[in-house]
Amino acid sequence: NAGVTQTPKFQVLKTGQSMTLQCAQDMNHEYMSWYRQDPGMGLRLIHYSVGAGITDQGEVPNGYNVSRSTTEDFPLRLLSAAPSQTSVYFCASSSALKGHNEQFFGPGTRLTVL
Amino acid sequence: KQEVTQIPAALSVPEGENLVLNCSFTDSAIYNLQWFRQDPGKGLTSLLLIQSSQREQTSGRLNASLDKSSGRSTLYIAASQPGDSATYLCAVKGNTPLVFGKGTRLSVIA
Repeated sequence: NAGVTQTPKFQVLKTGQSMTLQCAQDMNHEYMSWYRQDPGMGLRLIHYSVGAGITDQGEVPNGYNVSRSTTEDFPLRLLSAAPSQTSVYFCASSSALKGHNEQFFGPGTRLTVL
Repeated sequence: KQEVTQIPAALSVPEGENLVLNCSFTDSAIYNLQWFRQDPGKGLTSLLLIQSSQREQTSGRLNASLDKSSGRSTLYIAASQPGDSATYLCAVKGNTPLVFGKGTRLSVIA
């Protein structure tokens, strides 16, 4: 199993550009989520999904869109990038939102917005 | 709303010392607690997962304890080594998505 994979590993954008961060998992997990990590702020939840077709907002959802058309994939879209979105983005998955299951994390995408 | 606090924010110790990292959380209704390690510029490596029914978990020189009723967990590192230098994060899982503390940055000096 590849686990949780993220692409790209690094990305530089100009203000106003759009892009999609990809996240995929091959563990048949229902629950997937996106976090951003900033110095001094820890990891903060952006959006999450409890299954295909179901998404919800986390702590810092503004400026980001998500969709979940399949169990395997959970892309994160930046429609108009801003310098405040410079961060490291982590995708995670687990078998369910609730319960005693473990969360698995992808390797992260380091995004710089100029 | 669940809040997770890690103390201290940074710690520097000489090689060979035993040390304890602390994690506290405000809502004791959790399913489990995970400790992660993060090296600079890298991703998260899961170290230990403690279920709510467990009191502790051990892996090599690492021992994590959980006192759910008091909202506390500790990560004990025995005989620290320079290779243990990293940021250690704890995260708790309840009926809401995983909530992280801000981490403790550990430096082990040779």
